[in-house]
Amino acid sequence: QVHLQESGPGLVKSSETLSLTCVVSGDSISDYNWWTWVRQTPGKGLEWVGEIFQTGKTNYSPSLKSRVTISVDRSMNHLSLTLTSVTAADTATYYCASTYMSSGSYRLDHWGQGIRVTVSS
Amino acid sequence: DIVLTQSPDSLAVSLGERATISCKSSQSVNCLGWYQQRPGQPPNLLIFRTSTRKSGVPDRFSGSGSGTDFTLTINSLQADDVAVYYCQQCYAAPRTFGPGTKVEIK
Repeated sequence: QVHLQESGPGLVKSSETLSLTCVVSGDSISDYNWWTWVRQTPGKGLEWVGEIFQTGKTNYSPSLKSRVTISVDRSMNHLSLTLTSVTAADTATYYCASTYMSSGSYRLDHWGQGIRVTVSS
Repeated sequence: DIVLTQSPDSLAVSLGERATISCKSSQSVNCLGWYQQRPGQPPNLLIFRTSTRKSGVPDRFSGSGSGTDFTLTINSLQADDVAVYYCQQCYAAPRTFGPGTKVEIK
């Protein structure tokens, strides 16, 4: 059974860059064709951040596109999220999720426990 | 972006009764899923491809709909079903989520 664990700083200063890692264990990251990041602001709903295909193709939320980068490191079996120029609005719990997408079928199968990130001024 | 709206925002249902959650899309989508998020937990996939239950999900959960109107039904509500339920469209990126519906026990 695949296990996902997000890691990174719990506190980031405003205007700086947030870097998160999602370590995949119990399976190879290459066994999943897509990977997704989702975030959840305190007390609010889910926001889709972006996704990466096994070829490296990415799709990002238009509201974050200018600041976000998602990448996969197969040698380390992890994926990463980088968000530049953060503000208080980026304070959220960030989740990574394995993603199956093919021929009309799509599912976020496995989720990490999430990492809470606070942006301070 | 495709906008999803859910109704109601919250509902309280007696144990053993039925809960029905609506998800409406701003445009026709042919790909929709439902996720359950219990307090303090990450979301958990319940339904994909509108009506297919993920392996291990009890059959009291069912999904239906097409086009712009979709429904999640929870038959015979159990205490374990207290959670927020989100729909997500997978028709196009950004793969937006609905705002969520909170289900409680009456």
